[in-house]
Formats: sequence, structure tokens, C-alpha cells
Amino acid sequence: AQTVTQSQPEMSVQEAETVTLSCTYDTSESDYYLFWYKQPPSRQMILVIRQEAYKQQNATENRFSVNFQKAAKSFSLKISDSQLGDAAMYFCASSGGGADGLTFGKGTHLIIQP
Amino acid sequence: NAGVTQTPKFQVLKTGQSMTLQCAQDMNHEYMSWYRQDPGMGLRLIHYSVGAGITDQGEVPNGYNVSRSTTEDFPLRLLSAAPSQTSVYFCASSSDSGGSYNEQFFGPGTRLTVL
Repeated sequence: AQTVTQSQPEMSVQEAETVTLSCTYDTSESDYYLFWYKQPPSRQMILVIRQEAYKQQNATENRFSVNFQKAAKSFSLKISDSQLGDAAMYFCASSGGGADGLTFGKGTHLIIQP
Repeated sequence: NAGVTQTPKFQVLKTGQSMTLQCAQDMNHEYMSWYRQDPGMGLRLIHYSVGAGITDQGEVPNGYNVSRSTTEDFPLRLLSAAPSQTSVYFCASSSDSGGSYNEQFFGPGTRLTVL
């Protein structure tokens, strides 16, 4: 079984600044995958970034990057140069790669202050 | 491509009524799944399918049935709706037939209220 914990129910950041969202996970899988999904008010789930656990290099997608600490089972998301369009719920998720889908955290509500 | 589509977008049911939430994808994905999202919680897996004719239970399957007669469609049936099934329901698909290595493409969701 896998568990995902997001300890920050809400975060607020000024536009153009950097913010880091925290996520810890627990899994018995030796090979697994980690994801950050964004859910804006439209409710649509959008993949932000994906990390394969066997890769030591942290994934990066434009202004979004992760800090993957495998031993600590930590997977934080850093958003640089925050924009108003980044305001959303952010969900951390893990997968053992099997057919039993994704395990999600409870989410962090990110507020961008203009 | 339309991606993953869900109908209806909103639905109100009375306790004991039955209904089917529709999900279709046009990406020829083998893997499809249903999640529910409750306030203050992340998404939880209800049922999934790794291909036509193959379905299995997820974390919270009670009160729901699924079938997969074609690659494209994966309907979710509520046999006798209960207030505890009030939630937002998401359908997702993935090109990974084994499950969830790859990106899950989500539908827009169905908001269901059971009175």
C-alpha cells in the first residue's frame, strides 16, 4: 500500500516569487513513479511533472522543478516566477506502476497574490 | 482528438435511484479508471480496466459497477445511489496498459449530488 501526505493545506505567494509545495510518501514498491497534478477552478486535472524513482536527476518542466529525496521519501514541487495562472489545487501522487492506479495526497491550495 | 469525455457534467439523484456515468476516450488507450474526489481529499480509485473485457476493483469499489465492452468506453454504474456517493467523479485513461507509469489523461469530471 502507498500513502501520500501533503502537510500544507494552503500556501500563498506573491506573483513572480518562488514557492515550494511539500509532499512525503510511503511505499513498499522498489520501483515507483511520482507526479504532481494541478487542478484549477475548472476542475480539470493537469499533469505538471513526473519523476521516475530510479532516476537520480530531478525532473524539470520550464518553471516547475522537483526536489526528489528518495531516502527521505520526499518529493517537493518548486514553482519559480509564480504567475496568476498558477493559482490552483496541487496534488502529489504516487504509483507503483501497476494497474491499481495513482494514490493521491489531499492537496495544497496555492494562492497567488498580485 | 476530444481526449477523455464524460457525461453528464452535473447530476442530482434521489436516494435509491440508479444511473450510469459515461466515459469515452479517443486515444486508443488500453488503461482506463474511475476516481472520486471528496472535499478535502485527493482522488481515490474506484475501478479500473486494463483492456476490453477486463475490469477490477480499486480502493473504494462498493456501490459501483463497471464494464468494458470496447476500448473506447468505460461506464460507471451506481445501482442504488446513497448520499455518501455525493462526490465529483473523474474518468482517466493512459497509454500504459499495465497501469500508471505514464501520464493519466483525465476527463472534466461529473459532479453528482445524492439527496
